[in-house]
Amino acid sequence: EVQLVEAGGGLVRPGGSLRLSCAASGFTFSDYWMTWVRQTPGKGLEWVANLNRDGSERHYMDSLEGRVTISRDNAKNLLYLRVDSLRAEDTAVYYCARDNNRRDDYWGQGTLVTVSS
Amino acid sequence: EIVLTQSPATLSLSPGERATLSCRASQNIDSYLAWYQQLPGQAPRLLIYGAFYRATGIPARFSGSGSGTDFTLTISSLEPEDVAVYYCQQRSGWPLTFGGGTKVEIK
Repeated sequence: EVQLVEAGGGLVRPGGSLRLSCAASGFTFSDYWMTWVRQTPGKGLEWVANLNRDGSERHYMDSLEGRVTISRDNAKNLLYLRVDSLRAEDTAVYYCARDNNRRDDYWGQGTLVTVSS
Repeated sequence: EIVLTQSPATLSLSPGERATLSCRASQNIDSYLAWYQQLPGQAPRLLIYGAFYRATGIPARFSGSGSGTDFTLTISSLEPEDVAVYYCQQRSGWPLTFGGGTKVEIK
């Protein structure tokens, strides 16, 4: 059974940084691109970043470029998202998902990041 | 950036009725469109990919159509468990983008 479990969310001060992780199981992690998507409270979905199988090709949401880094450890079946210089508008539930050839076919339950002083 | 516009914002129908949700792209995306369902309090779930392919385990009452710039998600006979927000997403090019969503309610 495919499972994705996010961790690392919580309360962060404006200007701070955090690193989210996503633990993958039930499939060969290194065979798939991976995705991060976020959802601000009461709002819609926002694509954040994608990463290819070996971590050599990254794509980011334009407005986050420069503040966000997606990475992976295929030996540990882990996906990461680091976000720097956090702002109130980064408050959201962050989801990781498996990118299966132009579709995100499995999603984690999400981790909540709250940016507040 | 490719902008996706979904309509209507809210759709209120009775059980058994047909639901038609629209997603319009700001430029040609061929058939690189996916639909996701987000039930209240849950993570999104893939419904349709490649504009019309149903994902594994998705009931046959869900169907997708369209290509180019105009796409439709149809629920042929609305069930109470279909109450959710439905999002389209283009997979044609970077950055990937989602539509604003259509909320489906039961009358």
